[in-house]
Amino acid sequence: DTEVTQTPKHLVMGMTNKKSLKCEQHMGHRAMYWYKQKAKKPPELMFVYSYEKLSINESVPSRFSPECPNSSLLNLHLHALQPEDSALYLCASSQAGTGGYGYTFGSGTRLTVV
Amino acid sequence: RKEVEQDPGPFNVPEGATVAFNCTYSNSASQSFFWYRQDCRKEPKLLMSVYSSGNEDGRFTAQLNRASQYISLLIRDSKLSDSATYLCVVNRNNDYKLSFGAGTTVTVRA
Repeated sequence: DTEVTQTPKHLVMGMTNKKSLKCEQHMGHRAMYWYKQKAKKPPELMFVYSYEKLSINESVPSRFSPECPNSSLLNLHLHALQPEDSALYLCASSQAGTGGYGYTFGSGTRLTVV
Repeated sequence: RKEVEQDPGPFNVPEGATVAFNCTYSNSASQSFFWYRQDCRKEPKLLMSVYSSGNEDGRFTAQLNRASQYISLLIRDSKLSDSATYLCVVNRNNDYKLSFGAGTTVTVRA
């Protein structure tokens, strides 16, 4: 299995809703990532988990809350989002240690905040 | 100065043509280099890693010039399916973070 699976593929939520994005990989990768991508822009790093511990938080607002229940799963909990948070949210994973092998990306969740 | 800079294009080329473009990076200590391809409204997919000696994968050739701090991608015999945005990606310090260029858009026309 060489895939990163993200659900849901599309999500529309109101500013008062609580929702979660899910990501799963079975490649034995021990680093997992959340990225945000706006149209015609490169992906922006949000969070890095290494061996199930949060190792990087790129000053992301607290309305985004990551969680790594085990080595295969990564969640992103959303609460009280703003319309400007509408974007493609990408999960990625990489081999342990570094990004030196590149990432494998999931197909993303396209989020619209109304 | 941005860490990774790319010519945004677009590069509009006919089928069968050769197209090449570069990417420059600012951190001389950068360790690993990649080209990713991203289709419209899809996720980035690894096209190829870039090695010091240069490397080729079918119609795609990547080169690294550490002295001038740039990498290049050349596409030979362009196909319609090569139309995409090509992201230059650099791993700066052998840590977890990858730095992305803004992408170069290539459109291959029939």
